[in-house]
Amino acid sequence: AQRVTQPEKLLSVFKGAPVELKCNYSYSGSPELFWYVQYSRQRLQLLLRHISRESIKGFTADLNKGETSFHLKKPFAQEEDSAMYYCALNKVGGATNKLIFGTGTLLAVQP
Amino acid sequence: GAGVSQTPSNKVTEKGKYVELRCDPISGHTALYWYRQSLGQGPEFLIYFQGTGAADDSGLPNDRFFAVRPEGSVSTLKIQRTERGDSAVYLCASSSPERASGHEQFFGPGTRLTVL
Repeated sequence: AQRVTQPEKLLSVFKGAPVELKCNYSYSGSPELFWYVQYSRQRLQLLLRHISRESIKGFTADLNKGETSFHLKKPFAQEEDSAMYYCALNKVGGATNKLIFGTGTLLAVQP
Repeated sequence: GAGVSQTPSNKVTEKGKYVELRCDPISGHTALYWYRQSLGQGPEFLIYFQGTGAADDSGLPNDRFFAVRPEGSVSTLKIQRTERGDSAVYLCASSSPERASGHEQFFGPGTRLTVL
């Protein structure tokens, strides 16, 4: 079965410290992985996707198929990075196109 | 342009009542999704529309839940005989798979349903 696991409910770091939000997945096909973010009082929005191999707001994520991981990293956290982060897997193919989400990690960046 | 909108933003109802939740997708988006998010959980897929038809309704928990999208734009999620366990935030998203942005899903603000 397809599953996304985010082992940390809360990650608290100080401003300027490195951040790594963990995400592991199980999927039998070729996965499309995403990170979505929800800032306080805002709607869920896409942060980045693995196929773009881009850096958004200083965040990067590399798909590691051997370890079935898609960890989100940023070398120097900022207070404005405080938010809820969800890792998601896109199950595509056949009749469906749906996202399977992890339970989310709340990132709190302390001043 | 306008994003995905959902109405109402909050809905309080009594156990056993019927509710309808509305979603207005981004104009031109052919794909529409409903998710449910319970407290402390990530969004959980309910149903996916491609145009007017439900391409995948495997996430609907039981036959009390039903969704329609008669003209391929606005969608309504309908819940009959509500139960306290139905309390959650119901999220709608839309996407335009034909475009280069492909499978990015754009989310609405959600409807918070509380069943007393």
